[in-house]
Amino acid sequence: DQQVKQNSPSLSVQEGRISILNCDYTNSMFDYFLWYKKYPAEGPTFLISISSIKDKNEDGRFTVFLNKSAKHLSLHIVPSQPGDSAVYFCAANAGGTSYGKLTFGQGTILTVHP
Amino acid sequence: SQTIHQWPATLVQPVGSPLSLECTVEGTSNPNLYWYRQAAGRGLQLLFYSVGIGQISSEVPQNLSASRPQDRQFILSSKKLLLSDSGFYLCAWSRSNQPQHFGDGTRLSIL
Repeated sequence: DQQVKQNSPSLSVQEGRISILNCDYTNSMFDYFLWYKKYPAEGPTFLISISSIKDKNEDGRFTVFLNKSAKHLSLHIVPSQPGDSAVYFCAANAGGTSYGKLTFGQGTILTVHP
Repeated sequence: SQTIHQWPATLVQPVGSPLSLECTVEGTSNPNLYWYRQAAGRGLQLLFYSVGIGQISSEVPQNLSASRPQDRQFILSSKKLLLSDSGFYLCAWSRSNQPQHFGDGTRLSIL
């Protein structure tokens, strides 16, 4: 039972354009969501998060949007840069914080072309 | 600042051999500790988590076990490895209201 799904295995974007990565969840108890970025042969690094009391959170070029009614979140990267090429995982927690057990999606490979 | 160390980075083991992967955290005390596995083409699956010394919760039935002999040390073990244990193993820590921070992982190949 995949409670967090990233239905696009890969995404290819031109440098300078917007990258939009999507994530859907089924567990209505999830109330905190995170995005991680992972380079090959390295562990994931935390990127940005959002609590269910918000519908948007911004940090520089990265913005996460949350649509609770649709159980959907997305990560927008503007403008995209070649260094953003990595695997992006969304994750969810039912404890209201980033602390505690996380359920991860399968990941989306983002490739940003110069 | 806090750091997390995992070793070895890569490991090739024969089927039926034992396993011991170690993870240590520096710069914090009483962290939550986690072991994840990423199988080929899949997301990260939580295997074990620990909220304190000797306190281990298993998330999925499997051929592996975990131990926490010290506050900042987390060990993943197996008595007899199976082919299906191949994958990328990640250790992570978190504390208070911080997101989980991951080590660089161990690539385990079973032959």
